[in-house]
Amino acid sequence: SQTIHQWPATLVQPVGSPLSLECTVEGTSNPNLYWYRQAAGRGLQLLFYSVGIGQISSEVPQNLSASRPQDRQFILSSKKLLLSDSGFYLCAWSRGRGQPQHFGDGTRLSIL
Amino acid sequence: AQKITQTQPGMFVQEKEAVTLDCTYDTSDPSYGLFWYKQPSSGEMIFLIYQGSYDQQNATEGRYSLNFQKARKSANLVISASQLGDSAMYFCAMTWAGAQKLVFGQGTRLTINP
Repeated sequence: SQTIHQWPATLVQPVGSPLSLECTVEGTSNPNLYWYRQAAGRGLQLLFYSVGIGQISSEVPQNLSASRPQDRQFILSSKKLLLSDSGFYLCAWSRGRGQPQHFGDGTRLSIL
Repeated sequence: AQKITQTQPGMFVQEKEAVTLDCTYDTSDPSYGLFWYKQPSSGEMIFLIYQGSYDQQNATEGRYSLNFQKARKSANLVISASQLGDSAMYFCAMTWAGAQKLVFGQGTRLTINP
């Protein structure tokens, strides 16, 4: 069966510090991968998605970036965090377009 | 543009009762898919059920069923025989032909009372 791992579960970072969140998927190959952000009490907003190694599409302009160095690895990064980057970040995978997306447990990011 | 609307910010239901969570959607694309997710307080998003726009029958998964009314553009989630563990946020979402992403509604917080 397929599993998705996301870490860390919680993170507290100062403003201006860098960020690296990692997500890996097991049990499938060539998945579509996604990064979402969820503000408190709100729905999910898609940040990035990837349909293959090195292929990244950005949905929202921001100071975040994503990379996919391996087939089942998806990384969310920032060089300098802003207060507005606080939130709950979720990684997800799917078999392809139109298929259900399956989510990791999420990372709660607090910026001080 | 595609949009999902969930008009119930919160719902309170007695245990063992059935509950309907409302979802309406807006799209001009004839090919689309509708999803429901459950988000417990721990935060993970759990996929519950899927309905395709060309599906003739309403989707069912155990105690979950989707009341799909295409002409009204609604895709309500019905939970039968509610349990305390059903207490969570519930999100309706959609995708459409050519899209890679899901668009989510604002969610409904369901509380099951003993």
